[in-house]
Amino acid sequence: EVQLVESGGGLVQPGGSLRLSCAASGFTFSNYWMHWVRQVPGEGLVWVSGINSDGSSTSYADSVKGRLTISRDNAKNTLYLQMNSLRADDTAVYYCARGGGYYEFDSWGQGTLVTVSS
Amino acid sequence: QSALTQPRSVSGSPGQSVTISCTGTSSDVGGYNYVSWYQHHPGKAPKLMIYDVSKRPSGVPDRFSGSKSGNTASLTISGLQAEDEADYYCCSYAGSYTYVFGTGTTVTVL
Repeated sequence: EVQLVESGGGLVQPGGSLRLSCAASGFTFSNYWMHWVRQVPGEGLVWVSGINSDGSSTSYADSVKGRLTISRDNAKNTLYLQMNSLRADDTAVYYCARGGGYYEFDSWGQGTLVTVSS
Repeated sequence: QSALTQPRSVSGSPGQSVTISCTGTSSDVGGYNYVSWYQHHPGKAPKLMIYDVSKRPSGVPDRFSGSKSGNTASLTISGLQAEDEADYYCCSYAGSYTYVFGTGTTVTVL
């Protein structure tokens, strides 16, 4: 069974940093694109970033370019999101999602809440 | 990267059909046959319901179907059931390995 478990969320001050992790199990992690998707409380889903199977290619939403960095460690079956220069509008639940065989997200974690506030 | 436009809410009685539209541009929905749909019960993990415009993953009931015409994709739920009450999001590939989600639609079963 595919399992994705996010961690690392919490309360951080504006301008601060946080690193999210997503532990994957139940599949061959190194074979799949992985993504981060976020949801501001009460609002919709927003794609944030993606990384290819070996980590050599990354993509970002314009709103996070230069501040958020996606990475992965295939030896540890773990996806990361380094979040720097955090702003209040980065407050959201962050979901880790597996890229399916084509251009969809076929498995999701339960999410981790990041709150940016002073 | 503007969000795709969905109606805020749709509703129907059990057994009826509802259709959710998802309107984008030629740079996303209209440019690729890579539209997917997700069901999201608040507090839970989103679930893939449709991919590649009209394909259903295994385990998704055939009551769920997808289509696309031009810059607008649609999700139809036939034979509406109580457990279908949830938020639904469309998503389209937008080129250069980027994606854009829709604004989301709340489906209410009356």
